[in-house]
Amino acid sequence: DIQMTQSPSSLSVSLGDNVTFTCEASENIYGFLAWYQQKLGKAPKLLIYGATNLEDGVPTRFSGSGSWTNYSLTISSLEPEDIATYYCQNNHVYPYTFGAGTKLELK
Amino acid sequence: QVQLKESGPGLVQPSQTLSLTCTVAGFSLTSYNVHWVRQPPGKGLEWMGVIWNTGGTRYNSALKSRLSISKDTSKSQVFLKMNSLQTEDTATYYCARDSTYSSFDYWGQGVMVTVSS
Repeated sequence: DIQMTQSPSSLSVSLGDNVTFTCEASENIYGFLAWYQQKLGKAPKLLIYGATNLEDGVPTRFSGSGSWTNYSLTISSLEPEDIATYYCQNNHVYPYTFGAGTKLELK
Repeated sequence: QVQLKESGPGLVQPSQTLSLTCTVAGFSLTSYNVHWVRQPPGKGLEWMGVIWNTGGTRYNSALKSRLSISKDTSKSQVFLKMNSLQTEDTATYYCARDSTYSSFDYWGQGVMVTVSS
């Protein structure tokens, strides 16, 4: 199975910050990488698919980058509604494994 | 409007079988794959399995011996059955639609299942 390693596991942030966190796959997933946002008690929400493509309706302050095994999600100018946990997912090979998540917390 | 909604018992006894239904609207199960994902309380997401638009299935090897996914296309329903439940199967169970680059673009609200006697 492909292992997805997210870092950091948690991040203390301030509103207006530019935030980047990473996801490393244990083998090449050819850009088949999705990012999800999950708020407490809610289902995950798709933000980015295919490593770099913004899902319809997602604010443009979210952006994804990366290739091969290394990927990142950037939030530019953090808004209060961005406080959540973020998961990456391998969509290349079954099982479609998720990373353990990065939890954003306000300072 | 695309919607998915899970339903099923909130409480299952240990060693019993879990049966969940995902009822979809706004798209056809003959055109899209549907996945099941679960999340234990306070923990991360675990992909469980998928039923393809063709009716084929693929399961997480860790669950394969206990898990079965099927569907009734005419009723727009996908079914999950998992036997020999243990306390560690306590989780919120989600169904989700597969879309571009196999990402999951629509999710159900989730159903919390507690395994306890």
